[in-house]
Amino acid sequence: QQQVKQSPQSLIVQKGGISIINCAYENTAFDYFPWYQQFPGKGPALLIAIRPDVSEKKEGRFTISFNKSAKQFSLHIMDSQPGDSATYFCAASREYGNKLVFGAGTILRVKS
Amino acid sequence: EAGVVQSPRYKIIEKKQPVAFWCNPISGHNTLYWYLQNLGQGPELLIRYENEEAVDDSQLPKDRFSAERLKGVDSTLKIQPAELGDSAVYLCASSLGGAGGELFFGEGSRLTVL
Repeated sequence: QQQVKQSPQSLIVQKGGISIINCAYENTAFDYFPWYQQFPGKGPALLIAIRPDVSEKKEGRFTISFNKSAKQFSLHIMDSQPGDSATYFCAASREYGNKLVFGAGTILRVKS
Repeated sequence: EAGVVQSPRYKIIEKKQPVAFWCNPISGHNTLYWYLQNLGQGPELLIRYENEEAVDDSQLPKDRFSAERLKGVDSTLKIQPAELGDSAVYLCASSLGGAGGELFFGEGSRLTVL
């Protein structure tokens, strides 16, 4: 059972554009929703995370939007740069980080 | 500060052979995780340790996989015997103990089973 569904599988964005990646979850007990960024040959690294008590969190060019009623959350990358080209994973867990369940990933390519 | 260190980075073995992966977590991190990442997929939890205790190993295929974390620091993940379907990246991660928090991942060990 896939508990976190992520889309799209891949995304090509022009430099300076907005990248949007979406995730949907099933388990209403999830209370922690991070996004991880992974470059080839590296492990995933935490990018930004949100708890369900807020609907939006912004850190620099990265924003998470969270819709609790729809059980959906998304990552927006503003002013996308070639250096943002990587694979992005959404994830979810109960108990703040324990047993993270990851989405299948989105390969982002930012064209210069 | 050193991150999570894993070795070997790459391993190629014949099927039915044993293989072991080693992980050294960030100093002071009591919680250690082993994740499996298949090509084009997100990481999947295999086992989680709180200090020396395996608190969640429900996803570990215990017929061929085993793990240990002696003294609550380094950890070893073993596969014996390896099967073709075990080809994947094995990621180790660590975090501060208790209620979890940010996971810090190592670069992974890529296993190819021929």
